[in-house]
Parts: sequence; structure tokens; C-alpha cells
Amino acid sequence: DQQVKQNSPSLSVQEGRISILNCDYTNSMFDYFLWYKKYPAEGPTFLISISSIKDKNEDGRFTVFLNKSAKHLSLHIVPSQPGDSAVYFCAGRETGNQFYFGTGTSLTVIP
Amino acid sequence: KAGVTQTPRYLIKTRGQQVTLSCSPISGHRSVSWYQQTPGQGLQFLFEYFSETQRNKGNFPGRFSGRQFSNSRSEMNVSTLELGDSALYLCASSSAQAVYGYTFGSGTRLTVV
Repeated sequence: DQQVKQNSPSLSVQEGRISILNCDYTNSMFDYFLWYKKYPAEGPTFLISISSIKDKNEDGRFTVFLNKSAKHLSLHIVPSQPGDSAVYFCAGRETGNQFYFGTGTSLTVIP
Repeated sequence: KAGVTQTPRYLIKTRGQQVTLSCSPISGHRSVSWYQQTPGQGLQFLFEYFSETQRNKGNFPGRFSGRQFSNSRSEMNVSTLELGDSALYLCASSSAQAVYGYTFGSGTRLTVV
């Protein structure tokens, strides 16, 4: 059961522009969400999180938006840089349970 | 502070064999989770251990098992390997409630031939 879905397997963006990565979830009990970035041959690294009591969290160039009614979250990267090229995973969980991850979106930032 | 260490990094096994993967979490982290990553499937949850007890389990067959030791190190075992078990196996550690998410290791790339 894919409780977290990332429907865009890949995304290409020009350097300096905004990257928007989307994620949908089905479990209305999810109360905490994460975004991870993964480079080839490395494990995923934590990027940013958001609690269900918020609708936005910002950290430098990265902002995550949560729309609970639509069960949708998005990650905005502004401005995009070539070093941001990686696979991005979103994850959600219900307190006390494991995180469910999406299938990932491969972002390519073109110089 | 040392990160999450997984050994070995690469492994090639024959169908029908068994394999054991090892994970040493960040010092002080008592929760260890295992995930399988395959193309198109994302990260599929295998199981989570906390203080030597399995706390959560994913939808994998009984051929996949794990354990955690008193020093929080964890092992994952796969018996009777199948070609479809070829994947990147990731271990992640966290504090009790994973408030800041997981810290992942670099993974073990298992190839079954």
C-alpha cells in the first residue's frame, strides 16, 4: 500500500529558477512529514520537516508547504543550484509508527 | 560524531543462499530501522527495532528478519535469497521519537545472481 506518492519521477529546472517537488499521501492520521535528498551511492540525508500543526516551514532556500485538506505537500527550492541535483524523497508517519516514503523525484538543475 | 555504519557496502550472493547485513547506529540512538530501495519502489519499510525489541514491521515475507543487540547495533538477515531481493538495503537510526527524522547509512548493495 503506497501511502505516500510522488507522481513525478523526474524534474528538470534551470539554475536560479524555482524547483517544486510534489508529494501526496493517503493516511489522514499522518502528523509529521520529512523531505530527504539522496545522491548516488549515498544514503538519504534529512532536508526539512513539517508537523501537521503547521502549513509551512522554511529553512534557507528550502520551504515545505503542507495542505492537510488536500493531503498534499510540496518542497520549494529557490533559487535552484546545480548541487541540488539529486533524488528527493518525501515521507510521512503517524506518531509511534514508521515513516512511509514516496518513490522519489529525480531533480536535475541545469547550469 | 560517527554516522550510521553499514557493512558490507557491496555483496553478491547466489539464489537460495542467505545473507546477513550489519548496521551500527549513531552513538546514543536506540532506534534502528531498515529499508529496501529498488528502482520505482522508493524506500520500502522492513522493520524497526528499539531497545532490542521489534517495534514495527513492514509487509515483507518471513525470509526477512532482524535483531538488535544491547549496544543498539542491528543485523538484518535474508534467507533463501531470490533474484528480486537485489536492492539497496538502508539502515537508519534515530532518537526515540525520530523528531528530526532518521540518519541513514550509505547502504548495502545486494545483488542476487
